[in-house]
Amino acid sequence: AQSVTQPDIHITVSEGASLELRCNYSYGATPYLFWYVQSPGQGLQLLLKYFSGDTLVQGIKGFEAEFKRSQSSFNLRKPSVHWSDAAEYFCAVGSGAGSYQLTFGKGTKLSVIP
Amino acid sequence: DTAVSQTPKYLVTQMGNDKSIKCEQNLGHDTMYWYKQDSKKFLKIMFSYNNKELIINETVPNRFSPKSPDKAHLNLHINSLELGDSAVYFCASSQPLAAEQYFGPGTRLTVT
Repeated sequence: AQSVTQPDIHITVSEGASLELRCNYSYGATPYLFWYVQSPGQGLQLLLKYFSGDTLVQGIKGFEAEFKRSQSSFNLRKPSVHWSDAAEYFCAVGSGAGSYQLTFGKGTKLSVIP
Repeated sequence: DTAVSQTPKYLVTQMGNDKSIKCEQNLGHDTMYWYKQDSKKFLKIMFSYNNKELIINETVPNRFSPKSPDKAHLNLHINSLELGDSAVYFCASSQPLAAEQYFGPGTRLTVT
């Protein structure tokens, strides 16, 4: 069964600082990986996804993530955080196109200090 | 234009009541989902429908019954509501042969 671990429950960074949110997955084959963001009181918005190819993927709002098969990781990064990035971030793994099943991590809450 | 919409956004009701949450998507997707997000923000899939056919039915009490009148709509009916049903319920949709899902804004259900 697939699973996702986000080791950090809550991270606080200063505005303008760099950010890395960790995600480790467990899946037997090549996974489909996603990062979603949930602002307070809102639904989930897709930030970026990895299916195959280049292991460094670019997303919206200046985010990027790197797939490292050897470490079973898909960490999310941003070089300079803005106050509006404060939100809950979810990593998710899917077993492939048309599989219909996404498994989510428990989320990392990001707080930004002005 | 809202891609995935849910109504109502907030629902407060008493134990034992029956309630429904509606979901509509205008993305032309064939697959729709219901997720439950608990108070600790954990997201768990409940149901998935593909082209009006139920394809995922996780361990969910029988009191929860999804209904898909057409590909653009997936409603969730809950009978005999319990305190533990309080949560945020999200609807989502995806394209055929794609993996990424698009989420609605959520319905916060509070059972008192």
